[in-house]
Parts: sequence; C-alpha cells; structure tokens
Amino acid sequence: EAGVAQSPRYKIIEKRQSVAFWCNPISGHATLYWYQQILGQGPKLLIQFQNNGVVDDSQLPKDRFSAERLKGVDSTLKIQPAKLEDSAVYLCASSNRGYEQYFGPGTRLTVT
Amino acid sequence: RKEVEQDPGPFNVPEGATVAFNCTYSNSASQSFFWYRQDCRKEPKLLMSVYSSGNEDGRFTAQLNRASQYISLLIRDSKLSDSATYLCVVRRGGLIFGTGTRLQVFP
Repeated sequence: EAGVAQSPRYKIIEKRQSVAFWCNPISGHATLYWYQQILGQGPKLLIQFQNNGVVDDSQLPKDRFSAERLKGVDSTLKIQPAKLEDSAVYLCASSNRGYEQYFGPGTRLTVT
Repeated sequence: RKEVEQDPGPFNVPEGATVAFNCTYSNSASQSFFWYRQDCRKEPKLLMSVYSSGNEDGRFTAQLNRASQYISLLIRDSKLSDSATYLCVVRRGGLIFGTGTRLQVFP
C-alpha cells in the first residue's frame, strides 16, 4: 500500500514570498491533516479535512495560511506571505474513519 | 502551559537498560492516548496506543492514569535501535503532541 506522498521535500524561500505544498493521502482515507513541526517541538495541527470539508482549522493562521482539498483527495497548503517564523517541517497525515494517522515524509521549509 | 507536557531529555542510557518516560495532559476531555516514535528528520510513526488497563508490546509497556492525567512509557532491555524521540500524544479531534523526549542508547 502506498503511503502519504508530499512534495516538494525541501523548499527555501525569502520572507514575504509565497509557497505551496502538496499532499496525496493514502487511497481511501477520508480524513486529511496538516501539521506544522518547528524544530525541537512536537507537530501542531493546522487543519483537518473530512473529505473536502474542514473539520478543524482553529490553529491555522488564516491571515497568511490557506488550505484546500477540492475533490476530497489531494490537498494543498499555501503560505502567503511567508515569515521567518514559518520555517518548519509541514507534515501531512491521513486516516480512515479516525483510526491511526499515517504521516507523509514532510516538506522542510526554510524562510530566509 | 502546554496541553501535553513531557521531559525533553535527552535520556542517555546503555544498551540493556530500562528507561521510563512520563507525560501529563491538561485537558480531561482528551479521548485517546498514544506514544509515537520519531527518528531524526523522519515523520512520526505510531508506537502504541495507551489504555487505562495498561498494555504491553514486546519490550514496551504503556500506562494511562485518567484520574491524574498521566501517561507513561517503559522500555525494557534498550537496544541501539531504540534511539529516537518519543512523542506523547492525546486526541481531541486531531492529535495533540508533546514536545517529545529524546532517547539515546549507547553501546
């Protein structure tokens, strides 16, 4: 079974630029999550989708972050404009009916 | 105060040692409890779920005390391959992670 796919794996941008990350969950998984993991910390949930609807986006900084999952499969997370403190690993995870969450390899973002 | 608190370590132990990690959570509405393992520059992976009755998986034993909102993980007979960061996790909808406890097992 293929795992959660994410791209790109690494991205370096300057502050105030925009960036987008892509996630393809495990086939058949209805629930998709985006997490932000800052160095030395545990992952923090940014947004949770159930199919193409948002379940929880309470910790998403909506002034600069946006996410969508238009067809209930792939998802994109965008940051516009980026700040230095956005430097982190962005992890996508998926689960089937709320059971175990499987994480992708993450996108490592460096904002300079 | 963080919702899930862990000692960040690092714990440096010799092979064969027994090591215990503790974790506390602040929200009594937390529904499920887990330990995840994260290797350096890798994604987190589920190590085991945690139940009030206690559960064991080989050398790993996890325990939950809902009354004191306390979770523990015991690793017996440590192996070099156990070196990683261990994340205490609770679920309230999405997962809420602690900062992780780093374990380094040396020969």
